[in-house]
Amino acid sequence: RKEVEQDPGPFNVPEGATVAFNCTYSNSASQSFFWYRQDCRKEPKLLMSVYSSGNEDGRFTAQLNRASQYISLLIRDSKLSDSATYLCAVNRGGGATNKLIFGTGTLLAVQP
Amino acid sequence: NAGVMQNPRHLVRRRGQEARLRCSPMKGHSHVYWYRQLPEEGLKFMVYLQKENIIDESGMPKERFSAEFPKEGPSILRIQQVVRGDSAAYFCASSPVAVISTDTQYFGPGTRLTVL
Repeated sequence: RKEVEQDPGPFNVPEGATVAFNCTYSNSASQSFFWYRQDCRKEPKLLMSVYSSGNEDGRFTAQLNRASQYISLLIRDSKLSDSATYLCAVNRGGGATNKLIFGTGTLLAVQP
Repeated sequence: NAGVMQNPRHLVRRRGQEARLRCSPMKGHSHVYWYRQLPEEGLKFMVYLQKENIIDESGMPKERFSAEFPKEGPSILRIQQVVRGDSAAYFCASSPVAVISTDTQYFGPGTRLTVL
């Protein structure tokens, strides 16, 4: 079983739709959580950090559920420009390491 | 404030040659990470370095791969005697501090290595 798992998609949604992605992680000692966006053949760009209290940035809302070990990303009022691959990342922490463990990504295609 | 810089952006090598990938972190960042993304796969951690120290190399292949982050100059990821399976995008990321619970890593544009 992978340490961080995501539904690979693709998610094909019309403009204006609301779409939600989930990501599960297996290591209960994980300390910090992130959503990144990656466009085709580009680098991952930080979308938002994910906090236990949940956080919102415009049309994007991220939630963390430590008890069930998953994080979620909600995108409201989808735009064509939201089409990308969304990566969840978990910082396992522990000891001196600070490495991120990534899911394989969920592909979102917003249709006109 | 310039972001993470990587060069070259594209690198073509023949089997058996050496590949050197360079990464300059964001200004004020002293922690560098290297990740590899194989075609159709996710990002995999390779190595985490601070100036003159390797902190975690648990993701590095045992042979042919090495990394350094000298006191002066960029971080270097070196791949000796490249093979076709090394063809991938190599991303560098940097972060400012080692407060793990709040640290955020910012990625460079990557180096796309093609081994012929």
